[in-house]
Amino acid sequence: DQQVKQNSPSLSVQEGRISILNCDYTNSMFDYFLWYKKYPAEGPTFLISISSIKDKNEDGRFTVFLNKSAKHLSLHIVPSQPGDSAVYFCAASAILANFGNEKLTFGTGTRLTIIP
Amino acid sequence: DTAVSQTPKYLVTQMGNDKSIKCEQNLGHDTMYWYKQDSKKFLKIMFSYNNKELIINETVPNRFSPKSPDKAHLNLHINSLELGDSAVYFCASSQGLTASSYFNTRLNEQFFGPGTRLTVL
Repeated sequence: DQQVKQNSPSLSVQEGRISILNCDYTNSMFDYFLWYKKYPAEGPTFLISISSIKDKNEDGRFTVFLNKSAKHLSLHIVPSQPGDSAVYFCAASAILANFGNEKLTFGTGTRLTIIP
Repeated sequence: DTAVSQTPKYLVTQMGNDKSIKCEQNLGHDTMYWYKQDSKKFLKIMFSYNNKELIINETVPNRFSPKSPDKAHLNLHINSLELGDSAVYFCASSQGLTASSYFNTRLNEQFFGPGTRLTVL
């Protein structure tokens, strides 16, 4: 029962263009969402997050959009750079429902390749 | 000056053996986690400790026993290793949340170690 889904296992984007990574979730108790970036042989590194009280959060070239009614979030990277090539994981947590138990439920990841 | 470190990075062992993976964080965080990434690249939580106390124990076989000697360390001991235990194991830590910090979304950022690739032959 996969509660967080990333339906695109891979995505290729031209350098300079916008990369859009998508994530869907099924658990309506999730109220906090994160994106992690992972390079080979390294652990995931935090990229950006959003709580359910917002529908958008921006940090430099990265913007996360949250559509609670559709249970969908997306990560926009603009402009895309070669160093953005990595696997991107979407993660979710039900913080208010499980206070003190902030486990993350991860999607299966999307491999982003930026073409120079 | 690594924030979350794990040893060893690679571990190759025979079925039936007992092995340990160590994790240390120097971030002053209260909460530490163990995740398993299987062959399908699915990253799933196994355990969480807050200030040396077990908080989360997902349906993990009791051959897996986490041990937290202090809040900066969370080690994972695995008894009677099986082929299906082959995976990459990630340790992580976070500051943990209080009610007042909930809306400061960066406070629940989990910092991950580099992973330990366990291969059971």
